Amino acid sequence: AQTVTQSQPEMSVQEAETVTLSCTYDTSESDYYLFWYKQPPSRQMILVIRQEAYKQQNATENRFSVNFQKAAKSFSLKISDSQLGDAAMYFCASHYGGATNKLIFGTGTLLAVQP
Amino acid sequence: GAVVSQHPSWVICKSGTSVKIECRSLDFQATTMFWYRQFPKQSLMLMATSNEGSKATYEQGVEKDKFLINHASLTLSTLTVTSAHPEDSSFYICSAAAGGPGETQYFGPGTRLLVL
Repeated sequence: AQTVTQSQPEMSVQEAETVTLSCTYDTSESDYYLFWYKQPPSRQMILVIRQEAYKQQNATENRFSVNFQKAAKSFSLKISDSQLGDAAMYFCASHYGGATNKLIFGTGTLLAVQP
Repeated sequence: GAVVSQHPSWVICKSGTSVKIECRSLDFQATTMFWYRQFPKQSLMLMATSNEGSKATYEQGVEKDKFLINHASLTLSTLTVTSAHPEDSSFYICSAAAGGPGETQYFGPGTRLLVL
């Protein structure tokens, strides 16, 4: 069965510093997609970044970037220059694969940003 | 772009009544919509996947007669919680995706349901 593991239930970072959130996944698919979503206290799920597994280049979105290690099945999220508004629950998700848009989510990492 | 709305944002109902939650993709056509349930401090649990014009596919353990899903158009899906009971109280979130496999899911703001 496909799984997504986030081993850090909680993380803390100082404002303006950099933090990395870990995610590992297990899939038998050769073509798949990976996502990071942010859920702030409002509980609105917001897409942070999307990675296509067939692309070797790591995806970036402004201060957010990923370290995608396909062989190791690792997909970590790096947040640079952390801001107070980055405080949220972060979920890593893997596409199920095949002819579906279904996602499997990790258990989440709660990020606190200290001023 | 890629905005998904959900209505109502919160609802309180009496035990035994039915509640309908609407999910709309406002600026794109969603070939697939998903319904999730989220308990406090937990991850999202997929309940069902719906495609426009066809029956929803429910995840194992989800009662399809209790959670009725209709996907009448490419921009609207509804979830009806029938004969709601206090254990159905939860946060329900919908998402919508356009296009083929692996396309991004965009999420609605969620509906908080409290059954008294």
